[in-house]
Amino acid sequence: QSALTQPASVSGSPGQSITISCTGTSSDVGNYNLVSWYQQHPGKAPKLMIYEVSQRPSGVSNRFSGSKSGNTASLTISGLQAEDEADYYCCSYAASSTSIFGGGTKLTVL
Amino acid sequence: QVQLQESGPGLVKPSGTLSLTCAVSGGSITSNNWWSWVRQPPGKGLEWIGEMYHSGSTNYNPSLKSRVTISVEKSRNQFSLKLSSVTAADTAVYYCARDLRGWLVLSLSAFDIWGQGTMVTVSS
Repeated sequence: QSALTQPASVSGSPGQSITISCTGTSSDVGNYNLVSWYQQHPGKAPKLMIYEVSQRPSGVSNRFSGSKSGNTASLTISGLQAEDEADYYCCSYAASSTSIFGGGTKLTVL
Repeated sequence: QVQLQESGPGLVKPSGTLSLTCAVSGGSITSNNWWSWVRQPPGKGLEWIGEMYHSGSTNYNPSLKSRVTISVEKSRNQFSLKLSSVTAADTAVYYCARDLRGWLVLSLSAFDIWGQGTMVTVSS
């Protein structure tokens, strides 16, 4: 069970949009619409931002959106704000009732 | 609202057993949710360790399965993690988390509530 593949880092200027990809296989991302995304600020616990590929929990800004195509899921953040600077992790339900995380992406707001 | 709190020794000797507890407050461990452990080595990413349902059913990360036991203590409204034969590679922040997914339901799989995390160092 290998980690889902995410870019190590992405960056953008305030007000811009960025997209973080998350690539898995037909045994996880490609087989289930159960991809979630987490935001983690330094020294803090992860926070759920997106579940079931594109659903936002109550209280999460609509600037965050998710999608999936084949074995790759994506998180898009529009109207970048300084507070969005954090690490982002994708996670997918996988075969044999397991979960698998991506390696994480560091978002820098320039 | 539901809150989670991890507790346990912050230092474990190599070859020993790491033991942590996650106390659930503001809700019941017998709710229709799976409960997970996730860890994060210093400066690295998240790794799912395993999960349990209050019935006692468990699922584990295949890479850790031979060393992991997750169990429930309903009377104390908490669940526990035991990881045996630890090495320095097991040094990490350990989080407990609630999964929205329910029993025999393949939907809503996501960790919506997390504990603050507890740092465990494996060293002699």
